[in-house]
Amino acid sequence: AQSVTQPDIHITVSEGASLELRCNYSYGATPYLFWYVQSPGQGLQLLLKYFSGDTLVQGIKGFEAEFKRSQSSFNLRKPSVHWSDAAEYFCAVRAGSYQLTFGKGTKLSVIP
Amino acid sequence: DAGVIQSPRHEVTEMGQEVTLRCKPISGHDYLFWYRQTMMRGLELLIYFNNNVPIDDSGMPEDRFSAKMPNASFSTLKIQPSEPRDSAVYFCASSFNYEQYFGPGTRLTVT
Repeated sequence: AQSVTQPDIHITVSEGASLELRCNYSYGATPYLFWYVQSPGQGLQLLLKYFSGDTLVQGIKGFEAEFKRSQSSFNLRKPSVHWSDAAEYFCAVRAGSYQLTFGKGTKLSVIP
Repeated sequence: DAGVIQSPRHEVTEMGQEVTLRCKPISGHDYLFWYRQTMMRGLELLIYFNNNVPIDDSGMPEDRFSAKMPNASFSTLKIQPSEPRDSAVYFCASSFNYEQYFGPGTRLTVT
């Protein structure tokens, strides 16, 4: 069965610092991978996705993620965090059909 | 496009009452998903539809929950009777080509 692990429940970074959020997945076939962001009181917004091809994918809001098959990882990165990036981030993997399996989320706090 | 639309945004009801949550997916999307989000359990898939047909309802917690999609532009999630443990944020998402787009959610409080 597919699963997604986000090992960090809560991360705090200073504004302007770099960010990396970790995501590990378990899935028997070629995964489709996603990162979503949820601001307080809002729905989830798609940041980026990986289906195939270049393992470094660019998303909205200056985010990028790198797919590493050997490590079963799909970590999200941003070179310089802005205060508006404070939110909860969810990694997800396509679960065979059209379902997505989501991780538990990582809450990001940004110190001014 | 206005995105996925959900109503109401907030619902407060008493235990035992019927609750109906509504969703309008993005036009042209052929999949629709209902999720529930709580602090304890995170984001849970309840049911999803393809071309208005329910495909997998194994996530529906019990018979008190039911969902319908009478046409491509409307779906409902009904809880009857509601219980305090149903308090959560319920999201609807629609999808085309594997990308899911979420609505703003309905925050349900059952007292």
